Amino acid sequence: AQSVTQLGSHVSVSEGALVLLRCNYSSSVPPYLFWYVQYPNQGLQLLLKYTTGATLVKGINGFEAEFKKSETSFHLTKPSAHMSDAAEYFCAVNLSGGSYIPTFGRGTSLIVHP
Amino acid sequence: NAGVTQTPKFRVLKTGQSMTLLCAQDMNHEYMYWYRQDPGMGLRLIHYSVGEGTTAKGEVPDGYNVSRLKKQNFLLGLESAAPSQTSVYFCASSYGTVYEQYFGPGTRLTVT
Repeated sequence: AQSVTQLGSHVSVSEGALVLLRCNYSSSVPPYLFWYVQYPNQGLQLLLKYTTGATLVKGINGFEAEFKKSETSFHLTKPSAHMSDAAEYFCAVNLSGGSYIPTFGRGTSLIVHP
Repeated sequence: NAGVTQTPKFRVLKTGQSMTLLCAQDMNHEYMYWYRQDPGMGLRLIHYSVGEGTTAKGEVPDGYNVSRLKKQNFLLGLESAAPSQTSVYFCASSYGTVYEQYFGPGTRLTVT
């Protein structure tokens, strides 16, 4: 079985500040991990993903995430927030080696203040 | 490539009416999914398909039916709409379960 927890339904930052969105997962086998972004009135689009290899993954728009197996975490960060980063962010997990269906977290709304 | 498209974009139904939402993808993906998105609930999987002619239930399948007669299309049907089915519906597709999903733009459905 697999599950995803996103801590904080809303995160508020000032423009230029560090963005940190938290994601913890549980899985019985090595996971595949994803972050998606949803802008208002749009579908989700992939920000970045971790499958195997390097644990620090870089995505689009300056975002990156680090897979930490010991902490079962895959937190999303960006050094300096921009107004255009305001959106809903979803973490998703799937299991390797099986025919599982991805599980999504409930989402975190990022609010960026000028 | 158009990616994943959804028809219609908006729809208002009266309780008890029926409708079909169409999802089409041009990426030759095997897997297709239907989700609903409600405030504070994230994405919830309704039904999914792992290939042409196959369908399976997801987390919240009650009140919905699906069909995958062609690989590129995945239809979601509401036989008798209820106000609880007011939601935004997203279709997605992928090469497989360990690959990223590609999402459509969504259909906003209101049932009065």
